[in-house]
Amino acid sequence: EVQLVESGGGLVQPGGSLRLSCAASGFTFSSYSMNWVRQAPGKGLEWVSYISSSSSAIYYADSVKGRFTISRDNAKNSLYLQMNSLRDEDTAVYYCARGLQYPDYWGQGTLVTVSS
Amino acid sequence: EIVMTQSPATLSVSPGERATLSCRARLSVSSNLAWYQQKPGQAPRLLIYGASTRATGIPARFSGSGSGTEFTLTISSLQSEDFAVYYCQHYNNWPWTFGQGTKVEIK
Repeated sequence: EVQLVESGGGLVQPGGSLRLSCAASGFTFSSYSMNWVRQAPGKGLEWVSYISSSSSAIYYADSVKGRFTISRDNAKNSLYLQMNSLRDEDTAVYYCARGLQYPDYWGQGTLVTVSS
Repeated sequence: EIVMTQSPATLSVSPGERATLSCRARLSVSSNLAWYQQKPGQAPRLLIYGASTRATGIPARFSGSGSGTEFTLTISSLQSEDFAVYYCQHYNNWPWTFGQGTKVEIK
C-alpha cells in the first residue's frame, strides 16, 4: 500500500523558516517524481514544487521561487521542503504527492501557520 | 501560466441524479487534464487522468471527456459518498494549475 506521511508543520513567525518532510513507503520511491501541493484554509489547491526521481529536474511555482527548496533522499525514501522567508500567505496545509504528470497518491498533509 | 476555470462554483443535486461539472482552460492543454475529489479534512483523490481515463478503483459512474480547452466530469448517478469538492488540474506544462473547484452538495 502506498503511504505518504508528512511532518514538520507548525506555527512560525513571518520571516521564519521551516522544513517539511514526507516519508514514503509501499512503492519504489527512487523511481518516482514527487511534488508539494498546498491548500490555504478554505481555499483551492496550489502546486508548489516538483522534483524528478533523480533530482535532475526541479521546478517551483513563482510564488515560492527563491524562498523554498525541494530535495529528496532516495536512500531514506524521503522528500523535503525547506521553506525560508515565510509569509502570511504561505499559511496552508502542505501535501506531498507522487507523480510526474498528475499526482496519483497524496499524503494527509501537514499544516503550516505563519503568524506573529 | 494556464488559468483553469471551473463551473458552476456550487452544484446542488439530489441523490441518484446526474451531475455535470465543467472545466475550461485559457489555452489548449491537449488531453493533459486530471480530476480530483476532495472531502472535508481529507487529501484529494485522483479520479480521472488523460481527460477520460479512470484512475484505479474509481467507479464507472465517474466519466471524463473533452480535449483542448473544454472538459467535463460527469457523475452518472450521485451516491451519498460523492458529495464533495471536485478540482480539475492541467499538466500540459509547468506550472501545473488547478481550477478553483466545484462543490457538489445535496439538494
